[in-house]
Amino acid sequence: EVQLVESGGGLVQPGGSLRLSCTASGFTFSTYAMSWVRQAPGKGLEWVAATTDSGASTYYADSVKGRFTISRDNSKNTLYVQMNSLRAEDTAVYYCASRYGGIWYFEFWGQGTLVTVSS
Amino acid sequence: EIVLTQSPATLSLSPGERVTLSCRASQNINSYLAWYQQKPGQAPRLLIYDASNRATGIPARFTGGGSGTDFTLTISSLEPEDFALYYCQQRKSWPITFGQGTRLAIK
Repeated sequence: EVQLVESGGGLVQPGGSLRLSCTASGFTFSTYAMSWVRQAPGKGLEWVAATTDSGASTYYADSVKGRFTISRDNSKNTLYVQMNSLRAEDTAVYYCASRYGGIWYFEFWGQGTLVTVSS
Repeated sequence: EIVLTQSPATLSLSPGERVTLSCRASQNINSYLAWYQQKPGQAPRLLIYDASNRATGIPARFTGGGSGTDFTLTISSLEPEDFALYYCQQRKSWPITFGQGTRLAIK
């Protein structure tokens, strides 16, 4: 059974940092491109960042470019996002999601981890 | 950035009815559009990819259509479990973008 389990969310002050992790099981993680998608409370979905299977290429939404860094450790079946200079508008549930085969849709999703940016 | 506009924002219908949701792109995205369903407290589920292809395990009552800038998701006969939020998403160009969602509510 495919599982994606996010962790690392919590309460952080504006300007602070947080690193989220997503641990994968049930599929060959190293062959799947991965992404982070977030959802602010009561709002819609917003794509945040993506990386290819090897991690060689990364992509970012303009809203997080220069502040967030996506990475992966295929030996640990884990996806990360380092979030710096956090703002109130970064408050959201953060989902990790796997790419659907070779095309940028999202097939498998984790349950999400809540990040709250507040003083 | 490609903007996806979904309409209507909310639809109230009864089980057994047929419904069509709309998603319009701000520029031509060929057929590079997906539909997702999201229920409260759950992650989204991929329903349709590349405009008209059902994802694995998706019932035949879900049908996607359209190309270019105008797309539809049709549910032929609503089941109780279909009342949820629906989002479209494009992969034509970076950044990946989602529509704002359509809520399907029980009348």
